[in-house]
Amino acid sequence: DTGVSQDPRHKITKRGQNVTFRCDPISEHNRLYWYRQTLGQGPEFLTYFQNEAQLEKSRLLSDRFSAERPKGSFSTLEIQRTEQGDSAMYLCASRLGPDTQYFGPGTRLTVL
Amino acid sequence: GNSVTQMEGPVTLSEEAFLTINCTYTATGYPSLFWYVQYPGEGLQLLLKATKADDKGSNKGFEATYRKETTSFHLEKGSVQVSDSAVYFCAADNHNNDMRFGAGTRLTVKP
Repeated sequence: DTGVSQDPRHKITKRGQNVTFRCDPISEHNRLYWYRQTLGQGPEFLTYFQNEAQLEKSRLLSDRFSAERPKGSFSTLEIQRTEQGDSAMYLCASRLGPDTQYFGPGTRLTVL
Repeated sequence: GNSVTQMEGPVTLSEEAFLTINCTYTATGYPSLFWYVQYPGEGLQLLLKATKADDKGSNKGFEATYRKETTSFHLEKGSVQVSDSAVYFCAADNHNNDMRFGAGTRLTVKP
């Protein structure tokens, strides 16, 4: 399978804990995106990397959120001191240049 | 920036019925337009796309035509199947990393 992969697929955590998600993009794709999707809504842009550089961050990305793509391949999204409002599906997508974005299966986060 | 408005759901149809899900967009410039489909518990899968005015995207019996004059990209299928039950998202991408999605339309097809 050469698509975008995400790990874990599901995460349940208690409020106040830190969580980290991983995304492995399609191998030759230089652009990587993180989105958040809440129930009944479309994905909302969080942040974007071109190679290892984080070029854009949404206002949705509070100080508790941090994303990295250290070698320009996989990326991690960390949420510190989780809150119940962080419960959502976190989607990763990758693309080669301006071509189509391809999405991973998502990580569903539940904060108790 | 872009914005996308799509028909509210849920939409419930009988098998072999005709499907239309409306989508309109506002954008600066000329975005590429997409329909993505999401099955329960999964990420978004690209269904079809169109990159310029009057282009028609098609896949698996679904079609959508990029209409610049009406800023629309309505999704159609002539005969739906139970397996088409999913949530459908319209999206506009102006290639400035500003891809916007509609809120999604849930389709249920009954046998």
